[in-house]
Amino acid sequence: EPEVTQTPSHQVTQMGQEVILRCVPISNHLYFYWYRQILGQKVEFLVSFYNNEISEKSEIFDDQFSVERPDGSNFTLKIRSTKLEDSAMYFCASSYRGPEKLFFGSGTQLSVL
Amino acid sequence: RKEVEQDPGPFNVPEGATVAFNCTYSNSASQSFFWYRQDCRKEPKLLMSVYSSGNEDGRFTAQLNRASQYISLLIRDSKLSDSATYLCVVNRLKNNFNKFYFGSGTKLNVKP
Repeated sequence: EPEVTQTPSHQVTQMGQEVILRCVPISNHLYFYWYRQILGQKVEFLVSFYNNEISEKSEIFDDQFSVERPDGSNFTLKIRSTKLEDSAMYFCASSYRGPEKLFFGSGTQLSVL
Repeated sequence: RKEVEQDPGPFNVPEGATVAFNCTYSNSASQSFFWYRQDCRKEPKLLMSVYSSGNEDGRFTAQLNRASQYISLLIRDSKLSDSATYLCVVNRLKNNFNKFYFGSGTKLNVKP
């Protein structure tokens, strides 16, 4: 069964450093998302991406965050200058059509020290 | 008002019990409905989509009541492996783009 893959599974970084989280969505999917989840809390929307542009972003997705789909297969989330409060599990997700079910990657656990 | 609301639980039930979770959504324009299962420190995994006519998959039954804006999940003959958090997820158009709204999840503990 096709799946969304994310790398790395764990990332430890120092505050102020840049991190890039990588995702390969399911190949025929058209809609891409990043979510994050702080331990014990709910899944929070960060950004959605369709037709090579951001379609919506949340208030969490400030100027320190950016997304790219550089080559038609990878979908990356960059945090330019990490803060302690960016520590969370980051999930990439994709869907074939807008209202259809989301498929999630296994996540990247980001720890900012 | 939250877009999707769920009872956080936890629901502590013995093996073999039947348990039901409820979820309400605030926007009547919502168009797709799902139950996801999430194990601790893992990604949400689709359990089932929810259709207006109701649908069943083995021990799991989902119901949708559009008039009351209410979704339910029934688990029969609970297994220890059913212990997880169950997320209610709703999709609707927002600014011409489909957006998913997540409930905070209902935690289920199935005890031997």
